[in-house]
Amino acid sequence: SQQGEEDPQALSIQEGENATMNCSYKTSINNLQWYRQNSGRGLVHLILIRSNEREKHSGRLRVTLDTSKKSSSLLITASRAADTASYFCAPRLFSGGYNKLIFGAGTRLAVHP
Amino acid sequence: ETGVTQTPRHLVMGMTNKKSLKCEQHLGHNAMYWYKQSAKKPLELMFVYSLEERVENNSVPSRFSPECPNSSHLFLHLHTLQPEDSALYLCASSQDFGGETQYFGPGTRLLVL
Repeated sequence: SQQGEEDPQALSIQEGENATMNCSYKTSINNLQWYRQNSGRGLVHLILIRSNEREKHSGRLRVTLDTSKKSSSLLITASRAADTASYFCAPRLFSGGYNKLIFGAGTRLAVHP
Repeated sequence: ETGVTQTPRHLVMGMTNKKSLKCEQHLGHNAMYWYKQSAKKPLELMFVYSLEERVENNSVPSRFSPECPNSSHLFLHLHTLQPEDSALYLCASSQDFGGETQYFGPGTRLLVL
């Protein structure tokens, strides 16, 4: 499969703790995007990191990208109950003649008050 | 709000019914997508339209029939569905086709009895 594969599948933490989610992929990419989905809702774009970038920040989010290991991580610092959601990575890769985003199965994050 | 709306939000239909899902984007985007999301499975890309032309059809059964009358509207016509077609159907749009950031609607929760 070429899709991003998130690890762990599920993560349960207490408010205030940091949450780290990992993503691996198998082919060269143009960029990698992270999305969030609240239960039963649509996905919301969080952050995009390009293949020539190693780290990117947005508020409490920190994303890293290691193209040599074909992996990325999403760190949410000082988590809040409102961060409870599923998080998906989506590598942008060239497949079937064009660039496309390939979504994985996601990491389900539960943040307990 | 992401600028992408979907109706209806919930739909229950029998296996012999015919129904349609509607998606509208107010972002001026040129590409629109239909995804299927089943429990604990990766998002499945069903159809992609770019400038009103279908550019991808991922081996979707013919009981699903997409229609894109203009760049702002996308429909998914459903007929003689099976219970395993019950899922969350998500519509998304992007500025152009080719792995750009996607903006998702809230989804239609479909139950086939």
